[in-house]
Amino acid sequence: GENVEQHPSTLSVQEGDSAVIKCTYSDSASNYFPWYKQELGKGPQLIIDIRSNVGEKKDQRIAVTLNKTAKHFSLHITETQPEDSAVYFCAARIPPNSGYALNFGKGTSLLVTP
Amino acid sequence: DTAVSQTPKYLVTQMGNDKSIKCEQNLGHDTMYWYKQDSKKFLKIMFSYNNKELIINETVPNRFSPKSPDKAHLNLHINSLELGDSAVYFCASSPSGNHYEQYFGPGTRLTVT
Repeated sequence: GENVEQHPSTLSVQEGDSAVIKCTYSDSASNYFPWYKQELGKGPQLIIDIRSNVGEKKDQRIAVTLNKTAKHFSLHITETQPEDSAVYFCAARIPPNSGYALNFGKGTSLLVTP
Repeated sequence: DTAVSQTPKYLVTQMGNDKSIKCEQNLGHDTMYWYKQDSKKFLKIMFSYNNKELIINETVPNRFSPKSPDKAHLNLHINSLELGDSAVYFCASSPSGNHYEQYFGPGTRLTVT
């Protein structure tokens, strides 16, 4: 099945700096790559996603890039704020025969210090 | 107003008991999922349901059984609970078509003593 690797496992940045989280996937048939933010005691919240026919997508301070050849994708957060502190998960999905389920990376705990 | 809701939020029970977790979504989605998050925060798919049909089951023990009374609900029944079942269980749903954009519920923290 699909294997998703995520790095780093922890990331500490100062407020205003940028944060980058990287993921790789194993199955070239994967076609959908979402990123989730999980705050303490809450469920994962979809923050941005990218499909395999697109190389980059941006939404205000967050952006995602996808390199299909290398099978890796990254989350970029600019001008970080303390409220960005959370655990971030990348995921990948293989087309229909997987039942539409997501395979998640192991998460990155991001801490933004004032 | 919550899109995907779960009850209960916390569940503490003893080994060997049978328990259920309920999930409801008001988004009109036609696929629902159960994920398990272990103590290391690793999220893993357990089941997904599409139009009342189970379409995947990822090596989950048969003590776990999903039940979908209608398109808006997917409940999780667990028999003969074991210590290793302690985790946070998340329900999610996604829209029809290509089934992108899964939306997660707030989770149910299950503790087996």
